[in-house]
Amino acid sequence: NAGVTQTPKFRVLKTGQSMTLLCAQDMNHEYMYWYRQDPGMGLRLIHYSVGEGTTAKGEVPDGYNVSRLKKQNFLLGLESAAPSQTSVYFCASRSDSPYEQYFGPGTRLTVT
Amino acid sequence: SQQGEEDPQALSIQEGENATMNCSYKTSINNLQWYRQNSGRGLVHLILIRSNEREKHSGRLRVTLDTSKKSSSLLITASRAADTASYFCATESGGSYIPTFGRGTSLIVHP
Repeated sequence: NAGVTQTPKFRVLKTGQSMTLLCAQDMNHEYMYWYRQDPGMGLRLIHYSVGEGTTAKGEVPDGYNVSRLKKQNFLLGLESAAPSQTSVYFCASRSDSPYEQYFGPGTRLTVT
Repeated sequence: SQQGEEDPQALSIQEGENATMNCSYKTSINNLQWYRQNSGRGLVHLILIRSNEREKHSGRLRVTLDTSKKSSSLLITASRAADTASYFCATESGGSYIPTFGRGTSLIVHP
């Protein structure tokens, strides 16, 4: 099992450009999450999904969109990147029992 | 907003010493989890403690939960240089399946 994978690992964008971050999990988990991590801020939830075809907003959803067309994939989109979106992005999926989240290795995004 | 807040923000100890970090939270919880994050990596689940449990052990880890004080502690015994990492607590409340993370404690273990 690969667990949770994220692509790309690194990306540099110019302000106004768009991109999509891909998260994939092979554990058949229903729940998936996108977080951003900034220095001194811990993890903040952007969007999450409780199953295929469903998405919901988290704590900091503005400027991001998501889609969960397939159970194993959770996509995070930035339509018009801003410097404030410079961050490390983590995807996670969650098992039902025992309750725990599995995290991907992260995507480091810089917006100039 | 962070539900859990870890204390201290940073901890520096010598190899072989014990490390204790604390997590305080604001509202009633279903469970509390501790995660470790090595530099530049994703978070790794360490241990979960449910609201009706008071103490759990896993190897060199000991977690306690005091729901009356809305706090938890993570003890790492006989620390090793490889324990150097950031440690986060995460809480789940109500019917939510959304863990809320604190800002973390940065632990440095000197060899």
